[in-house]
Amino acid sequence: AQSVTQLGSHVSVSEGALVLLRCNYSSSVPPYLFWYVQYPNQGLQLLLKYTSAATLVKGINGFEAEFKKSETSFHLTKPSAHMSDAAEYFCAALNTGFQKLVFGTGTRLLVSP
Amino acid sequence: NAGVTQTPKFRVLKTGQSMTLLCAQDMNHEYMYWYRQDPGMGLRLIHYSVGEGTTAKGEVPDGYNVSRLKKQNFLLGLESAAPSQTSVYFCASRPGTQGSYEQYFGPGTRLTVT
Repeated sequence: AQSVTQLGSHVSVSEGALVLLRCNYSSSVPPYLFWYVQYPNQGLQLLLKYTSAATLVKGINGFEAEFKKSETSFHLTKPSAHMSDAAEYFCAALNTGFQKLVFGTGTRLLVSP
Repeated sequence: NAGVTQTPKFRVLKTGQSMTLLCAQDMNHEYMYWYRQDPGMGLRLIHYSVGEGTTAKGEVPDGYNVSRLKKQNFLLGLESAAPSQTSVYFCASRPGTQGSYEQYFGPGTRLTVT
């Protein structure tokens, strides 16, 4: 079955620390993967996407993600967290029919001073 | 460009009442989607449309109906609201061109059913 798994419903970091949000996908999905960010009381905004052009993808706000086929992972990282990064992050994969996105359950990032 | 807009932003319904949520997009997108978001469950697809005049069921379609009479609009209807439909509803759209699979989201509608 197609699925996206995000490890950790909550991740806490200190300002300036490395951010690592984990995402694993089922190997049956096409190679189109996405990270979205949702700030409080807002809709989802695209952070970055993988479309097989390059395994390391850079997105907005200093975030990047690396596609690792051997590990079926697409983890999101940022070298130095900022207070404004506090939000919920969703990993998503295109379904095999190329019509829908399959979303993970989300990870809430908390950033402390 | 306004992008994807949703009307209304908030609504409180009593059990058994009906209502329609409107989603509009001005990007000439082919595909449109309705999701619901509940704590700890991520986004779940209710219904979607791959073009004007078409609709299809998603993951959690029961209790909802949709219509796509115009390309730019996608309506979500609740015929007889239930407390289990208390949620935040998001609409999204994307182009129909091959390779353009990212979805663009609206700001959401917060619905409470008492």
